[in-house]
Amino acid sequence: DARVTQTPRHKVTEMGQEVTMRCQPILGHNTVFWYRQTMMQGLELLAYFRNRAPLDDSGMPKDRFSAEMPDATLATLKIQPSEPRDSAVYFCASGLGAGNEQFFGPGTRLTVL
Amino acid sequence: GEDVEQSLFLSVREGDSSVINCTYTDSSSTYLYWYKQEPGAGLQLLTYIFSNMDMKQDQRLTVLLNKKDKHLSLRIADTQTGDSAIYFCAESWDTGRRALTFGSGTRLQVQP
Repeated sequence: DARVTQTPRHKVTEMGQEVTMRCQPILGHNTVFWYRQTMMQGLELLAYFRNRAPLDDSGMPKDRFSAEMPDATLATLKIQPSEPRDSAVYFCASGLGAGNEQFFGPGTRLTVL
Repeated sequence: GEDVEQSLFLSVREGDSSVINCTYTDSSSTYLYWYKQEPGAGLQLLTYIFSNMDMKQDQRLTVLLNKKDKHLSLRIADTQTGDSAIYFCAESWDTGRRALTFGSGTRLQVQP
């Protein structure tokens, strides 16, 4: 049963701390996406990669957010320093090609106090 | 702009049909998708339609596509309480490089 996995599922941290979220895409998928979901803004695309190379990260605040794919089985999203306005659910998704079906992970619920 | 638009909320009674509407932006879209998000979970693909089709039926789900008006709808027959969720439509026009564009989501509430 191939699934996208995300860790941690929940994270509570204090303002100013570094937060790292991890995602394992479905084996064989070549495209990985990071989204943020809040009540106010809805679902926002932060960044996506194809074959581990960033295709578009225009949705991501560059001063504090960074996204990488150290290898084909791991994608990371890092926030440093974190702020209360970063509180949201962060989803990772993977797929074959940017515009094809995306398979979503269960999300990381981040709370920054 | 690149906005895929949906109404925010729909309430129906159990057993009735639900119709969720979406307007998309690009007449050259290749695929249009419907995703479902249950509470506390990620989005899950429900169904999709290729742009050269007008209609697609899959059990209780019927997707209608009006390319002239760039209008997509999802009809759920015999709506059940388990159908309560947020429904997102999404369009794709470049399967290689361009990510899907998602709508804001329609929250469907099914009253028993």
